[in-house]
This record gives sequence, structure tokens and C-alpha cells, in this order.
Amino acid sequence: EPEVTQTPSHQVTQMGQEVILRCVPISNHLYFYWYRQILGQKVEFLVSFYNNEISEKSEIFDDQFSVERPDGSNFTLKIRSTKLEDSAMYFCAGGGQGITGELFFGEGSRLTVL
Amino acid sequence: AQSVTQLGSHVSVSEGALVLLRCNYSSSVPPYLFWYVQYPNQGLQLLLKYTTGATLVKGINGFEAEFKKSETSFHLTKPSAHMSDAAEYFCAVSENQAGTALIFGKGTTLSVSS
Repeated sequence: EPEVTQTPSHQVTQMGQEVILRCVPISNHLYFYWYRQILGQKVEFLVSFYNNEISEKSEIFDDQFSVERPDGSNFTLKIRSTKLEDSAMYFCAGGGQGITGELFFGEGSRLTVL
Repeated sequence: AQSVTQLGSHVSVSEGALVLLRCNYSSSVPPYLFWYVQYPNQGLQLLLKYTTGATLVKGINGFEAEFKKSETSFHLTKPSAHMSDAAEYFCAVSENQAGTALIFGKGTTLSVSS
């Protein structure tokens, strides 16, 4: 069964460093998302991506964040200058063209900012 | 704007007992509703979803949920809890069109004791 894969599974970085989280969505999906989950808190929407551009973003997704799909397969989330409060689990998700709304999630990338 | 409220951040039941996890939503348009489960150190897995049609929906692992428009609720139930049901459960809502983001509730931790 196809699945969403994310790398790295865990990354530790120093505050102020740039981080890139990578995702390989299911091939026939058209919509891609990044969510984050700070430890002990709810899963929060960051951004959605469709047709090679951002379709929706939350207030969390400020200028420090960017997304791209450079090669038609990988979907990346970049944090330019990490802050302590960026420490979280980041989930990539994908969805198809149908209007069922179901998203398929990866297992997440845990980011720890020191 | 859509939102989800999950009543009770932690629910404890005995093995074999009824499981009831509460979810209320707010949406200005007919919603799509979802329950996801998250086992420790894993991603989010879809349990069940409501889009249109029958208001009682059945999902995996014996779970079901009923969409009650008049109560704006989508509570998750299981007649008999199993130890393996211990996990974090998230209710989510989205607009009924392709590509819209899921908005999650804060989650409910289900503990099952023998």
C-alpha cells in the first residue's frame, strides 16, 4: 500500500539554523499539506500546496517558513532561522482530487531546536 | 471559520467497557468530519469519516461515529474497549471541497485498563 514517507525522522538543530524537512507524498495525490504538533498539543495546520503554489496557509506559517515541490515528487518544508518554539513534530499529508477530504499522513519528522 | 472541540483531554475505561469520545464542531458550510488515531511515535491514521449520506459511519477496529447536525456533534464510540485501543484520538473538520485543510481538535487520550 502506498504511503507518505518523511525524512528525517528526527533532527536536532541549533537555534538560528536552517532546517529542511522532506516528504515524498503518494504519487497520485494532488494536494499536499504540512501540519505540526508541539509536544502535548493539538495538530495544527501550517500550509497547503496545490498546482505548485500555496493554496492556503495559517497564521503560524510566517516568513520563516517556505514550501516547495522542486522535482515533482519531493515536497519540502524549510524553516529559515529556527527558534526554540519551532520544536515540534512536523507531519506531511497528501490528498487526492476527490472531494472526500481524507488526508494521508506520514509518520512525522521530529524537530528539536536547542 | 471552522473549529473542533473535543470534550475531555483524557478518557479512561476498563477493557470491555464502552468507549465514548466527544467531538463538537463549528462550520458555516456542510462539513466533512473525521476521526484520526495516533499511536505512540506514529503518524495519524484515519479511523472513519463522514462526508454525505448515512449519518452513522463505521470505521476500522470496531469504531463508529454518528453525525448529528442538530447537535453539531460527531462523537466516536466503540462498544467494547480493547487494550490496543489506547492511543490519542483526534476529531477533524473540513469544508466539503477538495483541497481544503483539515482543522483538528486538541485530541483525547484514551487509556484502557485491564
